[in-house]
Amino acid sequence: DAMVIQNPRYQVTQFGKPVTLSCSQTLNHNVMYWYQQKSSQAPKLLFHYYDKDFNNEADTPDNFQSRRPNTSFCFLDIRSPGLGDAAMYLCATSRPGRGRATLFGQGTRLTVV
Amino acid sequence: GESVGLHLPTLSVQEGDNSIINCAYSNSASDYFIWYKQESGKGPQFIIDIRSNMDKRQGQRVTVLLNKTVKHLSLQIAATQPGDSAVYFCAESLQAGNMLTFGGGTRLMVKP
Repeated sequence: DAMVIQNPRYQVTQFGKPVTLSCSQTLNHNVMYWYQQKSSQAPKLLFHYYDKDFNNEADTPDNFQSRRPNTSFCFLDIRSPGLGDAAMYLCATSRPGRGRATLFGQGTRLTVV
Repeated sequence: GESVGLHLPTLSVQEGDNSIINCAYSNSASDYFIWYKQESGKGPQFIIDIRSNMDKRQGQRVTVLLNKTVKHLSLQIAATQPGDSAVYFCAESLQAGNMLTFGGGTRLMVKP
């Protein structure tokens, strides 16, 4: 039962062409995260939403934006993808204070051509 | 989050043997620790977690050990199977559900 769902699983975009990745969750978790993961590396946090509050990591490029229209959905927008943005993008959700683990989606593999 | 340290990037074991994956963490205030398994092309999958008030927790074929004195975490997999081949990440946080700090990952390869 997929509880954190990312679409699409694979995305090919052209250099400089805006692209949006989506994430939805059925867990009613109030925190949603976006991570970037490159080959053989740990996931790197880009930003997260705590309810409606957006929290950007200091080293996340301005090229990356996010939207969370409601509790269930969160989007990652890459305004002008470069070759260096090719990576796996992971969405995760959590609910602090409930003693449960942060759960990840299956990721979207982004290729920039 | 920045990385906690992992000392063995690749671990190769024989099928049926036990595996031990180690992780050093840096924040003595961390109260919650978690292991994820990540297969190729997939997202991290929760394996087991432990809170700082425990030093050992067992799951199905997996055991997590926590040594707070030396800030060390380990994952033991009993009777390792080919399906266990993956990259394993440890992560820490102040409490369950809070922002995670990941370790660098260990690739486990199981030889038939």
